[in-house]
Amino acid sequence: DIQMTQSPFSLSASVGDRVTITCRASQDIRNHLAWYQQKPGKAPQRLIYLASNLQSGVPSRFSGSGSGSEFTLTISSLLPEDFATYYCLQHNSYPVTFGGGTKVEIK
Amino acid sequence: EVQLVESGGGLVQPGGSLRLTCATSGFTFSYYWMSWVRQAPGKGLEWVANIKQDGSVQFYADSVEGRFTVSRDNGKSSLYLQMNSLRAEDTAVYHCVRYDSGAQSTDYWGQGTLVTVSS
Repeated sequence: DIQMTQSPFSLSASVGDRVTITCRASQDIRNHLAWYQQKPGKAPQRLIYLASNLQSGVPSRFSGSGSGSEFTLTISSLLPEDFATYYCLQHNSYPVTFGGGTKVEIK
Repeated sequence: EVQLVESGGGLVQPGGSLRLTCATSGFTFSYYWMSWVRQAPGKGLEWVANIKQDGSVQFYADSVEGRFTVSRDNGKSSLYLQMNSLRAEDTAVYHCVRYDSGAQSTDYWGQGTLVTVSS
């Protein structure tokens, strides 16, 4: 099984900060990685697919990069509505696996 | 508008069974792989199962293999999850999710239905 190690587990940041979240895969997953944002009590929403493609309707302050086994989600300038939990997902092979999540909190 | 609405959750005793239903609309259901993903209270996301467009192929997480069965009715645009031999650790919100093959990831998610396994 492919393990997805997401870091950090949580972070505190201020509005306007640049935030970076990392996911490392235990083996090569090409670019078969997506990023999701989840707010309390809500279903996750896809932000990025195929590692670097911005989901339609998602603000351009979100970006994704990486391939192979290391991937990054960047929020260029944090807004109040971005405080949430973020997950990565690999679907290169079964079983599908998620990262453990990163909670972005207000400093 | 794509909609996925789960139902069938509730309280069940350990060893019991439940059948979840996901009613979909707003897209051609038969064109898509579909998934179930769950989230235990206060925990992260866990993939449960996938099913191919025609229902001929299914994949399961090791944690549910042999106990859960995913199925679909393309005529009714509905997805199902039959859960047997339920355990306390199956307690979670279960989301019905559409799988976007072109993007190798899930795109639309339902709000979920809560399954609680407890005596």
